[in-house]
Amino acid sequence: GDSVTQMEGPVTLSEEAFLTINCTYTATGYPSLFWYVQYPGEGLQLLLKATKADDKGSNKGFEATYRKETTSFHLEKGSVQVSDSAVYFCALSGQGAQKLVFGQGTRLTINP
Amino acid sequence: DTEVTQTPKHLVMGMTNKKSLKCEQHMGHRAMYWYKQKAKKPPELMFVYSYEKLSINESVPSRFSPECPNSSLLNLHLHALQPEDSALYLCASSQDHNQPQHFGDGTRLSIL
Repeated sequence: GDSVTQMEGPVTLSEEAFLTINCTYTATGYPSLFWYVQYPGEGLQLLLKATKADDKGSNKGFEATYRKETTSFHLEKGSVQVSDSAVYFCALSGQGAQKLVFGQGTRLTINP
Repeated sequence: DTEVTQTPKHLVMGMTNKKSLKCEQHMGHRAMYWYKQKAKKPPELMFVYSYEKLSINESVPSRFSPECPNSSLLNLHLHALQPEDSALYLCASSQDHNQPQHFGDGTRLSIL
């Protein structure tokens, strides 16, 4: 079945550091890929998405590129802020599927 | 601000109580979802409603009973829950399947 593997956390960085959170997936066909962010005490918010190979999703300085050849969707940000501290989930939705498949989540802490 | 509204935000109940969780969206979305999220874990899908009909039940115990009275509302009726059912219950909606899901902030449920 479909699956998503994320780099294990927690990840701790200093403010203005470069961020990469790795995500790889296994799926048949052409899934849609998503990054969600969950701040403490809140639900999940869609951060960005990509629906086909080589698409780049971007939002709030975060970017991820749908790489079919490496089945990856790594999240990057050039300069993180303390307010980026949260849990980040990579997810996919398979073709014709009615549900999201989530990775395990990566907890990110940014220190001033 | 989330466009999916969940009430109540917190709920404490005994194992013999009956209570309901409510979810509302006014985005015209035709798919609605219930998830259960334990601490430090990704959300686990419980139920999917598509065009007000139950389309997926992920083998959820019958002490959880979903209901979709109309296209904007989704309820989760709770009865005779167990302590291990304590979790954050998230509602989500999407325009259709394969479209991004929008999450509420959840109901934090504690079973005494």
